[in-house]
Amino acid sequence: QKEVEQNSGPLSVPEGAIASLNCTYSDRVSQSFFWYRQYSGKSPELIMSIYSNGDKEDGRFTAQLNKASQYVSLLIRDSQPSDSATYLCAVRAGNNRKLIWGLGTSLAVNP
Amino acid sequence: DVKVTQSSRYLVKRTGEKVFLECVQDMDHENMFWYRQDPGLGLRLIYFSYDVKMKEKGDIPEGYSVSREKKERFSLILESASTNQTSMYLCASSGWTGGAYEQYFGPGTRLTVT
Repeated sequence: QKEVEQNSGPLSVPEGAIASLNCTYSDRVSQSFFWYRQYSGKSPELIMSIYSNGDKEDGRFTAQLNKASQYVSLLIRDSQPSDSATYLCAVRAGNNRKLIWGLGTSLAVNP
Repeated sequence: DVKVTQSSRYLVKRTGEKVFLECVQDMDHENMFWYRQDPGLGLRLIYFSYDVKMKEKGDIPEGYSVSREKKERFSLILESASTNQTSMYLCASSGWTGGAYEQYFGPGTRLTVT
């Protein structure tokens, strides 16, 4: 069974701090990795995708991928209360068009 | 920007009714997906389609069917609604972006079956 695991949280950080969210996956042939943000009662919103080892930055967000260790992380710099949400990690394996989803990590940014 | 729309934000139906949920995307994406999301269970794939008139079962297809007659439209059908189908239903579409198949979601339909 291919799995994607995330710590459910809640992860609580003070405003202005760096929030670090982690995700591990079991399928070694996984190719693409995605981070989504989901506010309560809303649909998931794509933050960023990554498919090469290393870091990818977009504004305050940095995704880090380590295929050898089978983990992907999301760093949120200068966290704001508006970043309080559930963050979903998703993984695509090989040529499969489906995604395998984690259950999400709840993040609370405290003013 | 990718736009995925769903026919209703909230829907209340009675047990045994036939329910249609519609999803439309405007990005010419070949792939479309229907999920349901329940607290503690995460996103679960019901069905997906990778081309017009093509469909594949996801993880929980029982009690559901789908239709894709046009590329931009993907419908989810609950043949005979039951209370255990009360859930948030999310439609998504994806196409190749040059590095990955990124999925984009509609706003969701919260269905209550009484």
